[in-house]
Amino acid sequence: ETVMTQSPATLSVSPGERATLSCRASRSVSDNLAWYQQKPGQAPRLLIYGASTRATGIPARFSGSGSGTEFTLTISSLHSEDFAIYYCQQYNDWPTTFGQGTKVEIK
Amino acid sequence: QVQLVQSGAEVRKPGSSVKVSCQASGGTLSNYSISWVRQAPGQGLEWMGRIMPKYAASNSAQKFLGRVSFTADDFTNTAYMELSSLRFEDTAVYFCARERVKLPLYFFDDWGQGTLVTVS
Repeated sequence: ETVMTQSPATLSVSPGERATLSCRASRSVSDNLAWYQQKPGQAPRLLIYGASTRATGIPARFSGSGSGTEFTLTISSLHSEDFAIYYCQQYNDWPTTFGQGTKVEIK
Repeated sequence: QVQLVQSGAEVRKPGSSVKVSCQASGGTLSNYSISWVRQAPGQGLEWMGRIMPKYAASNSAQKFLGRVSFTADDFTNTAYMELSSLRFEDTAVYFCARERVKLPLYFFDDWGQGTLVTVS
């Protein structure tokens, strides 16, 4: 199966700063990549699909880029509600697989 | 937007089975495919399998073959996941999620709130 590796495991950022999260696939997944945000005790929420398309209602400060094996989620200016865990998911190869997550915490 | 509401927390003994429900509102379940994803305490997300109610078809990840089954009831707009031969390591929150098919596979638009299954 395709292994998704996220880095860093934890990212400490101050409110208002930029956050850059990485996701690497063990083989090319084209642009078949999604990003989710998960807060404690909640279900994941779809942020990005197709590597760069924001889901409905997702603020413009969230952006995704990349294709093939290297992907990035950027949060341009962190708001208090953005501190959470972020997961990438590839949906190119069966079975679909998730990264282990990046926790974005307050610095 | 489809809302998915799952059944409540369960406690089971090793070797037993658990059945979790996921009821859809705001849409007809048979129009969608539903995946099940689990999350062990403090861990990441793991896809378990899916059901396509319209075709009465399902499949599961290799890891769960023979232990998991997926069903759906059109009358109650509810999907079910049953996991048998429970082990301590099956302790997790189980989520149902509505798929958006984007070939070759799918990602997940809407999620249930999660059901904690504790094997103890």
